[in-house]
Amino acid sequence: DSGVTQTPKHLITATGQRVTLRCSPRSGDLSVYWYQQSLDQGLQFLIQYYNGEERAKGNILERFSAQQFPDLHSELNLSSLELGDSALYFCASSGGAGPSYEQYFGPGTRLTVT
Amino acid sequence: AQSVTQLDSQVPVFEEAPVELRCNYSSSVSVYLFWYVQYPNQGLQLLLKYLSGSTLVKGINGFEAEFNKSQTSFHLRKPSVHISDTAEYFCAVRDTGNQFYFGTGTSLTVIP
Repeated sequence: DSGVTQTPKHLITATGQRVTLRCSPRSGDLSVYWYQQSLDQGLQFLIQYYNGEERAKGNILERFSAQQFPDLHSELNLSSLELGDSALYFCASSGGAGPSYEQYFGPGTRLTVT
Repeated sequence: AQSVTQLDSQVPVFEEAPVELRCNYSSSVSVYLFWYVQYPNQGLQLLLKYLSGSTLVKGINGFEAEFNKSQTSFHLRKPSVHISDTAEYFCAVRDTGNQFYFGTGTSLTVIP
């Protein structure tokens, strides 16, 4: 158990819908990362937050948005869902923003768009 | 942008034999290098990382990797594998802009 929690574990929804994925970082961690893992595209970095501020942005679609709240939990919002958005979405947390801080990954949220 | 190539998508190896999982990345400018392991139905776990300094990096579970700047490689090795090492292994690069790039993964299967 990494100490990072993600809810829900599974999510099934229809095309065109909007969903919110939630991540609670390890106690004391200030940085949160979001990743997408799919068969088509492999593992992709989406976005990083540090203490509520966006720190780095990767291959995140405009239909997706994220934020980190004052209590440090983070949410990833996916809208106008397409079949190709079906994937495993991971959240990771680390103590700081830089590469020397190890990232601890949550168990993921499996999103299925039908 | 970086690209990360894991040359072998599947590697079968007998128990107690040595293994090398290969990783090459595209640019020789300053990057940070990582290997992660993913067990079925779990998130990624850091095996080891190279930030600077000694080019030979030791990680958890007996794994090590060697950073080779001239060949832009970061191959992962273990001298003697166990059944429990069966998993998916990912090489990753983080650039100075905090962008992450992952390889496509290598599925290691340890055969009893």
